[in-house]
Amino acid sequence: EDQVTQSPEALRLQEGESSSLNCSYTVSGLRGLFWYRQDPGKGPEFLFTLYSAGEEKEKERLKATLTKKESFLHITAPKPEDSATYLCAVQGETGTASKLTFGTGTRLQVTL
Amino acid sequence: NAGVTQTPKFQVLKTGQSMTLQCAQDMNHEYMSWYRQDPGMGLRLIHYSVGAGITDQGEVPNGYNVSRSTTEDFPLRLLSAAPSQTSVYFCASSYSVASNQPQHFGDGTRLSIL
Repeated sequence: EDQVTQSPEALRLQEGESSSLNCSYTVSGLRGLFWYRQDPGKGPEFLFTLYSAGEEKEKERLKATLTKKESFLHITAPKPEDSATYLCAVQGETGTASKLTFGTGTRLQVTL
Repeated sequence: NAGVTQTPKFQVLKTGQSMTLQCAQDMNHEYMSWYRQDPGMGLRLIHYSVGAGITDQGEVPNGYNVSRSTTEDFPLRLLSAAPSQTSVYFCASSYSVASNQPQHFGDGTRLSIL
């Protein structure tokens, strides 16, 4: 059974204070690892897909990296508008190709 | 391009009532799915569809029905609502299930069962 564990559960940063969010996973053959951002009262918004170990993707202040066991979402010099819950999900090769397994998310708060 | 649209945004039901949550997408996506999101748990797949006329069960299908008569619409029906079905429901779509395309989500329906 695919599993995703995200840490920490919650993170409070000051504006400009860089940090990383962790997503540890176990999956039978990784098709893709997805990062989403979710604002209160909204649906998850797609950020990145990573397909293989060593891959990295960047968007503004966010950079996602992938190893065989975990993914990191690095946030460089965050701003208050980066405050959200960040979700990680994996899609494995076995079973239904469509099935995503989600973690419970990291709630990020960035203060002035 | 509206993306994925869900209605209603909020709903309160009494135990035993039935209702349909609506989901529509205007991106000509092949794949659509329904998830529920509960506190302390990740999003869990209820039902999904790989195209018009084709549906299948996800991780937590009991108490829910779906149908897909058109590419655009994928309604979720609660047959006899129970308090355990109080949750936030998200509909998602992606271009194809054949490749690992990202899913695009609607803004959810917040459902309370009394």
